[in-house]
Amino acid sequence: GAGVSQSPRYKVAKRGQDVALRCDPISGHVSLFWYQQALGQGPEFLTYFQNEAQLDKSGLPSDRFFAERPEGSVSTLKIQRTQQEDSAVYLCASSSGGQGKNWGNQPQHFGDGTRLSIL
Amino acid sequence: AQSVTQLDSQVPVFEEAPVELRCNYSSSVSVYLFWYVQYPNQGLQLLLKYLSGSTLVKGINGFEAEFNKSQTSFHLRKPSVHISDTAEYFCAVTLPGAYKYIFGTGTRLKVLA
Repeated sequence: GAGVSQSPRYKVAKRGQDVALRCDPISGHVSLFWYQQALGQGPEFLTYFQNEAQLDKSGLPSDRFFAERPEGSVSTLKIQRTQQEDSAVYLCASSSGGQGKNWGNQPQHFGDGTRLSIL
Repeated sequence: AQSVTQLDSQVPVFEEAPVELRCNYSSSVSVYLFWYVQYPNQGLQLLLKYLSGSTLVKGINGFEAEFNKSQTSFHLRKPSVHISDTAEYFCAVTLPGAYKYIFGTGTRLKVLA
């Protein structure tokens, strides 16, 4: 598609359940990012992939969060044993930038996000 | 480490009036700066970016921003706003060669009829 696609748009889960959020980046984009946006806040970096390699997961808040991009295109963010503080909008972004390229000229393009509510 | 401060959490303005949304950054080295807009229930859309060169940057939808190194600011302006400009605006900073964006907390622009 023309833009970054995320699904589902809305997800409601009970505390303790596992959830999986999907991101389909812009075709051909090497780099993929996940952000967490709490209510009233700016997005905060979670993790970064270049192709299938997860080069940075420093922003993942706990070991309950896991992300993968096995074939270098679609990515899934999984949250295990969800807790109420996990409630947020999860944004995915992709970029044609990559290691050795000029990131400034390849800014990040964002999807519409998945709004996760944990009851 | 870099940081971004958006001083105003909300800015109400009447339609066709000018607006300025403030952004200040903190960094000991050169940075790249971005403004993104987020409409309700949507993702972030890039308005404009500053990498280097001319300090006045023009973006989409009639917005522009001016980079001021001495004041470490990158304020966003529009001479005449429309109802459709009602949205959340985020300033972001990153380092040249870096991929990680640091976002401000956002400014909610509300355009009044």
